[in-house]
Amino acid sequence: DTAVSQTPKYLVTQMGNDKSIKCEQNLGHDTMYWYKQDSKKFLKIMFSYNNKELIINETVPNRFSPKSPDKAHLNLHINSLELGDSAVYFCASSHTSEAFFGQGTRLTVV
Amino acid sequence: GENVEQHPSTLSVQEGDSAVIKCTYSDSASNYFPWYKQELGKRPQLIIDIRSNVGEKKDQRIAVTLNKTAKHFSLHITETQPEDSAVYFCAAPPRGISNFGNEKLTFGTGTRLTIIP
Repeated sequence: DTAVSQTPKYLVTQMGNDKSIKCEQNLGHDTMYWYKQDSKKFLKIMFSYNNKELIINETVPNRFSPKSPDKAHLNLHINSLELGDSAVYFCASSHTSEAFFGQGTRLTVV
Repeated sequence: GENVEQHPSTLSVQEGDSAVIKCTYSDSASNYFPWYKQELGKRPQLIIDIRSNVGEKKDQRIAVTLNKTAKHFSLHITETQPEDSAVYFCAAPPRGISNFGNEKLTFGTGTRLTIIP
């Protein structure tokens, strides 16, 4: 009964490919996020959604497209993958305070 | 938007000593200040938080202090143990479109804490 689950855990792909990462939360939270964590461990917010509505888009290239089919899901689709996209991507959700993170997806672009 | 600065970026402490990590924020409307711990290869998890109506909060060996006038808050870990080694992140979400202001949960740059046995 994982609170925030994202799949896959590892993703290795070639440059130029398109890939998706899925995220689901069973906490009933209204707000969901995507973060990118690079090799220096910086946790950079990419997107936040509130009740399926996009709230924050932090100057992320338009190759990244989030999709929220319902309040419990926030998926991330990435087109034309580049070497610099290699990182760990975390999904998270929150209601009023604490944010709960998924296990992370380690994306490696070769 | 909110700007959160965190210092130091790395910190090494002898086991049993205390560690202090400090964050400053820019949005005076921020009213919620959490600290997250991320162990190697794991997800970030909340360890303690404080709201703006109190100046200090303790939970066993960890405490957070808040100075709203100076717009900074600090994480204090006493009697450090090897399992305290991790990366610690602060956050100071600005007030957003909702009363909760959680839409832009932006983190500080992180502090890698190493406890030396």
